[in-house]
Amino acid sequence: KAGVTQTPRYLIKTRGQQVTLSCSPISGHRSVSWYQQTPGQGLQFLFEYFSETQRNKGNFPGRFSGRQFSNSRSEMNVSTLELGDSALYLCASRPLRSISSTDTQYFGPGTRLTVL
Amino acid sequence: DAKTTQPPSMDCAEGRAANLPCNHSTISGNEYVYWYRQIHSQGPQYIIHGLKNNETNEMASLIITEDRKSSTLILPHATLRDTAVYYCIVRASGGSNYKLTFGKGTLLTVNP
Repeated sequence: KAGVTQTPRYLIKTRGQQVTLSCSPISGHRSVSWYQQTPGQGLQFLFEYFSETQRNKGNFPGRFSGRQFSNSRSEMNVSTLELGDSALYLCASRPLRSISSTDTQYFGPGTRLTVL
Repeated sequence: DAKTTQPPSMDCAEGRAANLPCNHSTISGNEYVYWYRQIHSQGPQYIIHGLKNNETNEMASLIITEDRKSSTLILPHATLRDTAVYYCIVRASGGSNYKLTFGKGTLLTVNP
């Protein structure tokens, strides 16, 4: 079974621009989460989506948004980019067989975003 | 979710067992212990998880103390490719509020 895939793998943008990152979860997985990893803050949770709805959100400004499609694929958008948004953005998926299940989350390779 | 404490770094000789400790003294009864690792600039890789019994899979073994306040991840025969940051994470089972809280982890360096 193919793993979580993310596109693009590398991206360079300038301040003020916006960016959209894409994530395809493992086949059959219904939940997609996004994380940001920076050298200073480490790995931080951004948000989780399932059933095309944001279910859980981390402590990030409104410039960070996302969506999920009916096939569980997800996109993450960052508007008005700042230098501090340079990071590795990671997508992770889990089966979500039921709300009470103990799922394991599997990560994609990440998208390396550099803001100049 | 309970907080975890890990040593910042460890060394291990190639071919020897690597034993990575994790302290989670405030763990609750419904919280699982998860281990992930991250090789430089790649996405975290799931290794193993457990509740209270010891667990083993093709990658590693997880030993959880009887009081569940600490655990040890064991890589039985470490190779150079096991050099990575290893994260110990505690999270409750089920629930719609699912997120993994990563600490700084342990940088394991496997030496030839």
